[in-house]
Amino acid sequence: DIQMTQSPSSVSASVGDRVTITCRASQGISSWLAWYQQKPGKAPKLLIYAASSLQSGVPSRFSGSGSGTDFTLTISSLQPEDFATYYCQQANSFPPAFGQGTRLEIK
Amino acid sequence: QVQLVESGGGLVKPGGSLRLSCAASGFTFSDYYMSWIRQAPGKGLEWVSYISSSSSYTNYADSVKGRFTISRDNAKNSLYLQMNSLRAEDTAVYYCAKTTVTTVYMDVWGKGTTVTVSS
Repeated sequence: DIQMTQSPSSVSASVGDRVTITCRASQGISSWLAWYQQKPGKAPKLLIYAASSLQSGVPSRFSGSGSGTDFTLTISSLQPEDFATYYCQQANSFPPAFGQGTRLEIK
Repeated sequence: QVQLVESGGGLVKPGGSLRLSCAASGFTFSDYYMSWIRQAPGKGLEWVSYISSSSSYTNYADSVKGRFTISRDNAKNSLYLQMNSLRAEDTAVYYCAKTTVTTVYMDVWGKGTTVTVSS
């Protein structure tokens, strides 16, 4: 099975900051990667699929990049509503594993 | 709009059974694959199961294989998860999610239903 590892596990940042979250796969997954945002008590929301494609309705300050084993999610200018937990997920093969999550907190 | 509503969660004793349902609306249910994903209290997301649009293909996480069964009724726009031989470690919020056909991306999620396995 493919394992997904995110870093950091948590990060503190301020409104307006640029933030980057990293996700590493235990083996190559081409561009079969998604990013989700989850706010407390809410369901996850798909932000990015195919490593860099923005899901409809997601603000353009979110972007994704990478291929193979190393991927990043970047938020270009943090907004108050972006403080949440972010998960990556590989879609290359079963089981479709998630990373452990990165909690983005207000500094 | 596209909506998924889970139901059927509750408190069950270890070894017991529960059937979760997910009612879909706002899209052509029979055209899409569907998944169940769970989240234990304070933990991350764990994919549980997946079913193709015609029910011809299913897949399960090793942690639930042989105990859980996914199914769907396209005439009723509904997805199900039959959970047997429940264990304490199955305690979680269970989400159903609309899933892209050729790749396992979950693009719409329900709000979840809580399953608690405890004596």
